[in-house]
Amino acid sequence: DAGVTQSPTHLIKTRGQQVTLRCSPKSGHDTVSWYQQALGQGPQFIFQYYEEEERQRGNFPDRFSGHQFPNYSSELNVNALLLGDSALYLCASSRVRTTSYGYTFGSGTRLTVV
Amino acid sequence: LAKTTQPISMDSYEGQEVNITCSHNNIATNDYITWYQQFPSQGPRFIIQGYKTKVTNEVASLFIPADRKSSTLSLPRVSLSDTAVYYCLVGVPGGYNKLIFGAGTRLAVHP
Repeated sequence: DAGVTQSPTHLIKTRGQQVTLRCSPKSGHDTVSWYQQALGQGPQFIFQYYEEEERQRGNFPDRFSGHQFPNYSSELNVNALLLGDSALYLCASSRVRTTSYGYTFGSGTRLTVV
Repeated sequence: LAKTTQPISMDSYEGQEVNITCSHNNIATNDYITWYQQFPSQGPRFIIQGYKTKVTNEVASLFIPADRKSSTLSLPRVSLSDTAVYYCLVGVPGGYNKLIFGAGTRLAVHP
């Protein structure tokens, strides 16, 4: 049973460019959340998607946007990249109707902005 | 959302038992306590979750006192592969709920 799959694994972009990161959730999961993890810090919540809509959003600017597709996969888009956007971007999936706090995370996409 | 406080780092040796304590003084009635483990360049991995008293699985034990203002993750007989960052999270379970991570505890296991 495949877990959460993220692509690409690594990415280098130039300041001002735009980037799209992709995530396929674990089989049976219907909600996808995105997190940003700077070096040496804990993951920070960006937003969550369920039924193709953004349900919750963390304290991130509008440069960060996303999408969820009918097959539950998701994309994270970041526009006008800043050096400070360099981080590990993590995707986590879960089932909405669950009594567990057990999200499944992917291995992340390492984004470097130069 | 209840804030958690954990030690920044801990050191241990192979074969020892490691206990990581997390403080969550403002925990709400419906909140559960969950621990995640993260290796470098990987996403966090769910370890254990509990509400009160003691929970044990094949990986760890979680001890929660009656007042629930703190909890202790216990790792029996650690090995080098247990070197990781451990996060304590408090919140209501459910797929709708976002996870709030702190800085975690960096555990280093030495030979």
